[in-house]
Amino acid sequence: DQQVKQNSPSLSVQEGRISILNCDYTNSMFDYFLWYKKYPAEGPTFLISISSIKDKNEDGRFTVFLNKSAKHLSLHIVPSQPGDSAVYFCAALGAGGTSYGKLTFGQGTILTVHP
Amino acid sequence: DSGVTQTPKHLITATGQRVTLRCSPRSGDLSVYWYQQSLDQGLQFLIQYYNGEERAKGNILERFSAQQFPDLHSELNLSSLELGDSALYFCASGGGAGEQYFGPGTRLTVT
Repeated sequence: DQQVKQNSPSLSVQEGRISILNCDYTNSMFDYFLWYKKYPAEGPTFLISISSIKDKNEDGRFTVFLNKSAKHLSLHIVPSQPGDSAVYFCAALGAGGTSYGKLTFGQGTILTVHP
Repeated sequence: DSGVTQTPKHLITATGQRVTLRCSPRSGDLSVYWYQQSLDQGLQFLIQYYNGEERAKGNILERFSAQQFPDLHSELNLSSLELGDSALYFCASGGGAGEQYFGPGTRLTVT
């Protein structure tokens, strides 16, 4: 049972344009959401997060949007740069039940930014 | 550099064998998390330790076990290895509010 889904395995974007990565979740006990970025041969690195009491969080070129009613979040990168090319993982933190305190990750989306 | 170290970087072993993966968390972090990333799979949470005590368990097989020592380093023991256990194993330390810091991973190949 995939509780966090990233339905697009890959995304290709031109440098300078916007990259939009999407994530859906099914567990209503999730109350905190994070995006991680992963380069080959490295561990994931934390990028940005959002609490379920907010609908938007911005950090430089990165903005995360949360639509709680739709159980959907997205990561916007503007403008995209070639160095942003990596695998992006969406993750959710549970507030209760069996998901309490655990990070549940999506499958990841490979972003390629072309010069 | 996340401050989390993992050894070894690569491990090749045969089916039926037992291996130990080691992790040192960031200075000051009491929590250690273990994850498995198989081919074409996302990160699967295995187990969490907090200050030496098991805190949460995920989809960890009975053949796998972990512990956290008084100096806060952790070891993940994998026994009776099968081909399907070949994966990247990540350790992370936290990190309030889910912001975990990941090590570079150990790539395990079971032949």
